[in-house]
Amino acid sequence: GAVVSQHPSRVICKSGTSVKIECRSLDFQATTMFWYRQFPKQSLMLMATSNEGSKATYEQGVEKDKFLINHASLTLSTLTVTSAHPEDSSFYICSAPDPGRTNEKLFFGSGTQLSVL
Amino acid sequence: DQQVKQNSPSLSVQEGRISILNCDYTNSMFDYFLWYKKYPAEGPTFLISISSIKDKNEDGRFTVFLNKSAKHLSLHIVPSQPGDSAVYFCAARMYSGGGADGLTFGKGTHLIIQP
Repeated sequence: GAVVSQHPSRVICKSGTSVKIECRSLDFQATTMFWYRQFPKQSLMLMATSNEGSKATYEQGVEKDKFLINHASLTLSTLTVTSAHPEDSSFYICSAPDPGRTNEKLFFGSGTQLSVL
Repeated sequence: DQQVKQNSPSLSVQEGRISILNCDYTNSMFDYFLWYKKYPAEGPTFLISISSIKDKNEDGRFTVFLNKSAKHLSLHIVPSQPGDSAVYFCAARMYSGGGADGLTFGKGTHLIIQP
């Protein structure tokens, strides 16, 4: 299947710093990518939809100024957590739709565990 | 309001027996359902899916059943193997017609296969 690469896999940072997470589609183009967040023992919650060449669409309750999304090319989307605080500590996962079949399934990156001290 | 519900946080099954994971949904606009398997600190991997126009889909040891009238689906794994121990997420999609859409996930069920 299609491969989605996500880096870094783990980040530990001080409160107030910004953290950038990269998501790449390795062998296919993705005009749309999705960013999810998962707290311990909770579901994967959709944060935003990243659209190549246009603004991201954020889910209700997700601060667009805090979670900056840039989808500058057909193979790369980035999520920047600005001025991170301990409550932002979570597992962040990106995904891209299966390029072969419209919207039927998503391929996920390996995730980024963010810990804010 | 959780639109996709997995009411069993965990399930323990003996190796070789059948594992049945359940999922309920509330939104009748969902038209496609998927099961993902997830190991700790990794992204989910796709397992099997089913369209709302079908009631069963089978792939090797994995079978997904869909009961639209009850808004219920289940994943059957038989025979269960130690490597099946993981968290299983049920997910649903609502086709908007405008392109790709994000999936709505349940909270997951931690399946433990005992030797």
